[in-house]
Amino acid sequence: ETGVTQTPRHLVMGMTNKKSLKCEQHLGHNAMYWYKQSAKKPLELMFVYNFKEQTENNSVPSRFSPECPNSSHLFLHLHTLQPEDSALYLCASSQEGPRGGEQFFGPGTRLTVL
Amino acid sequence: RKEVEQDPGPFNVPEGATVAFNCTYSNSASQSFFWYRQDCRKEPKLLMSVYSSGNEDGRFTAQLNRASQYISLLIRDSKLSDSATYLCVVNGLTGGGNKLTFGTGTQLKVEL
Repeated sequence: ETGVTQTPRHLVMGMTNKKSLKCEQHLGHNAMYWYKQSAKKPLELMFVYNFKEQTENNSVPSRFSPECPNSSHLFLHLHTLQPEDSALYLCASSQEGPRGGEQFFGPGTRLTVL
Repeated sequence: RKEVEQDPGPFNVPEGATVAFNCTYSNSASQSFFWYRQDCRKEPKLLMSVYSSGNEDGRFTAQLNRASQYISLLIRDSKLSDSATYLCVVNGLTGGGNKLTFGTGTQLKVEL
């Protein structure tokens, strides 16, 4: 596997379900990110992990819970979501430093909440 | 004012045309700038980085004007395969590291 992978690619869940999104990066990077992309809106940064420590939480509702067990893996745990949470969830990684803005994205998980 | 602002388009241009996109940003402390390309229903991919006044890569030229707080992307001799959404991205370093702010994107359609 190369680059950034995400599973599942598509997910349909009810508002009472609990599910998790998984991201894995094979690039040796030390920072990982979760973004949300809704139709007609710019990508919204949700969480940032630097060296496995959460360094940013952009006022994301508690029904989204991130977990970063090591520098290669990132999870997003979902519970009691709302229909407006339906979106494309993208994971990205980068190497922190002067060129840390060059982020590499996974293919995303397209989430539908019924 | 939006943090990163772009004309959403779409820009419909014939093959071979030159097309330019502009982007303005509000945070004068922003450190670095990028153009990402996003194809329909795919993830964004880095197209160009802009660390100083500009950058050129083949048919693509990016320019930065810090005084006016805008970034531009010029595509020469456009190809059908250039059809995509182009995202202007601004990096504002925080205590926690890099923080990218994305524009909504400009849609380009290159036609025969």
